This record gives sequence, C-alpha cells and structure tokens, in this order.
Amino acid sequence: GQNIDQPTEMTATEGAIVQINCTYQTSGFNGLFWYQQHAGEAPTFLSYNVLDGLEEKGRFSSFLSRSKGYSYLLLKELQMKDSASYLCAYTGTASKLTFGTGTRLQVTL
Amino acid sequence: EPEVTQTPSHQVTQMGQEVILRCVPISNHLYFYWYRQILGQKVEFLVSFYNNEISEKSEIFDDQFSVERPDGSNFTLKIRSTKLEDSAMYFCASSASGQETQYFGPGTRLLVL
Repeated sequence: GQNIDQPTEMTATEGAIVQINCTYQTSGFNGLFWYQQHAGEAPTFLSYNVLDGLEEKGRFSSFLSRSKGYSYLLLKELQMKDSASYLCAYTGTASKLTFGTGTRLQVTL
Repeated sequence: EPEVTQTPSHQVTQMGQEVILRCVPISNHLYFYWYRQILGQKVEFLVSFYNNEISEKSEIFDDQFSVERPDGSNFTLKIRSTKLEDSAMYFCASSASGQETQYFGPGTRLLVL
C-alpha cells in the first residue's frame, strides 16, 4: 500500500530552526518532494531528493533516507512569512505525486 | 520566469452542470497533471497526461471526468455532470519530464451548489 505521514501542526519562534519530519511507505519509490502552500494558494516547490543525504538551498534543507523511508525539511532563521503548510510528497514508478496531509507551521514572535 | 496559468480562478455552478477548467502549462513541458484539494484536506492526484494520452488516472477520475489538449498550449479538465462533492480547488501542474519537478498553477476554486 501507500502511506505518507507528517505532523499536523508545529509552532516555532521567529529566528529559530524547525525540522518537519515525513515518513513514507510505498512499494515503489523514486523521489521525495517538499512543497510550501500558503492558505488558498497553490503548492510551491521547495526541494527534491532522490539520493540519500542532505540537499541545502539557502535557508531550507531537505534530507532523505531511502532505507528508512524518512525525510525531513529543515527551515533556518525562521521568518513570519514562513507560516504556511509544508507538504511532503513522493513519486514512485509513475510520475504522479502522492501527498501527505501537510504540516501547518505557525511562526510566532 | 515561466509559470503555469489557470482559468477561471473561481467557478460557481449548479449540480449536474458541465464545467471546463483550463490550464496553460509551461511551454517546453511535456507532462501535464490535474490534482484537486478539498478544503482542509490533502492534495489528491486525478490524472496525468503525456504524448496526447492519459498515462495514469486515480479512482477519483471516473467517467464524469475527461482531459484534453485541444491545441499546442491548452490543457483542459472537463467534469460532465458536477456533484456537490466535486467542490474543491483544482490544480494543474506540468513538468519537463516524468520524474522532474512539477510546477503548479494557481488553481481554480470550484463550488457546486
């Protein structure tokens, strides 16, 4: 079967670091994506991991462990505008994205 | 920067009516997708399209749904006879190849009354 899990909500302080975890189970796996979605808007691409390890892109980093079915998104130097939902999604043998329910991040002062 | 566009941004329709949602994918992309997101729920895959045919569809994409690429730029989703439960945000996405990043359009918010 297919399953993808991430926490429903997280809260963090402006300027801090937050890690959003995602675990997945699928019989076929190709790559792991992270998208940001502000309320009422479209998902916006953040990162893509195919191989194990850490991908860094400015304030955002994403990690993948294929053997553990685990990924995380790391956000550094949090800003108020980072308050959004963060969607974990994978592709398998087909190209469709299978999404988790998303983690709603609230950044506070 | 090229982007996916969608029209209309909002559509209100009566149950049983037909709606057509329109998308213009990024111009050099070859793979096209429709997803939907019911309010408060996760993004769900509907259908993927490549080389002028459906490459995969979900169980949501029943006989009431169809897709078409009527010309070199547009990609449409038709719902033949809308139901109340079709109310959702519909996103079009495109990618250069099957396993590359999918870029999403701004969405069409469909409300079926």
